[in-house]
Amino acid sequence: DAGVIQSPRHEVTEMGQEVTLRCKPISGHDYLFWYRQTMMRGLELLIYFNNNVPIDDSGMPEDRFSAKMPNASFSTLKIQPSEPRDSAVYFCASTQRGTNEKLFFGSGTQLSVL
Amino acid sequence: DAKTTQPTSMDCAEGRAANLPCNHSTISGNEYVYWYRQIHSQGPQYIIHGLKNNETNEMASLIITEDRKSSTLILPHATLRDTAVYYCIVRLGSNYKLTFGKGTLLTVNP
Repeated sequence: DAGVIQSPRHEVTEMGQEVTLRCKPISGHDYLFWYRQTMMRGLELLIYFNNNVPIDDSGMPEDRFSAKMPNASFSTLKIQPSEPRDSAVYFCASTQRGTNEKLFFGSGTQLSVL
Repeated sequence: DAKTTQPTSMDCAEGRAANLPCNHSTISGNEYVYWYRQIHSQGPQYIIHGLKNNETNEMASLIITEDRKSSTLILPHATLRDTAVYYCIVRLGSNYKLTFGKGTLLTVNP
């Protein structure tokens, strides 16, 4: 398996623009997680899904952030409108129930909002 | 989930064992200890986990004290590629939320 695939690897945008980050989990995994990492706050869990259904979105910073999982092999994290403080590395991770819940992370998307 | 305390940074000589400590004094009986690491510019990587017994896999060993209030991750023969931030995480088995702290920056020196 190719692992968790995220795109784009890098994204540079201007304040106010819409940003969409994409994630393809490992085939067969039924849990998907979105994390954000900054120097100040470290790794923060934003939201996670089980069987394509959002289970906990308490980490989503504000209404500008939204996440969807239309099917088992694809998820998006959207920021609209983007702000400079959204600059961070965004990681997607997946796992499968019954596998000791080991999370497999993607390589991340480095987002810079100017 | 129980809170963990780790040293901010540690150094280790290449080829020597690296012993990374973690305190989790408020751990409850059904909480697991997980270790992940994050090499620069990469996503975190699972290393090992345990409940009560010591565990070993191809990457590392995990030693959990009898009272379960602390644990040690052991990399038996550290290499330069083991330089990374190591996270100790305590979580309930039924809780899929993984909360990362600051971790320990391990630097392996030649």
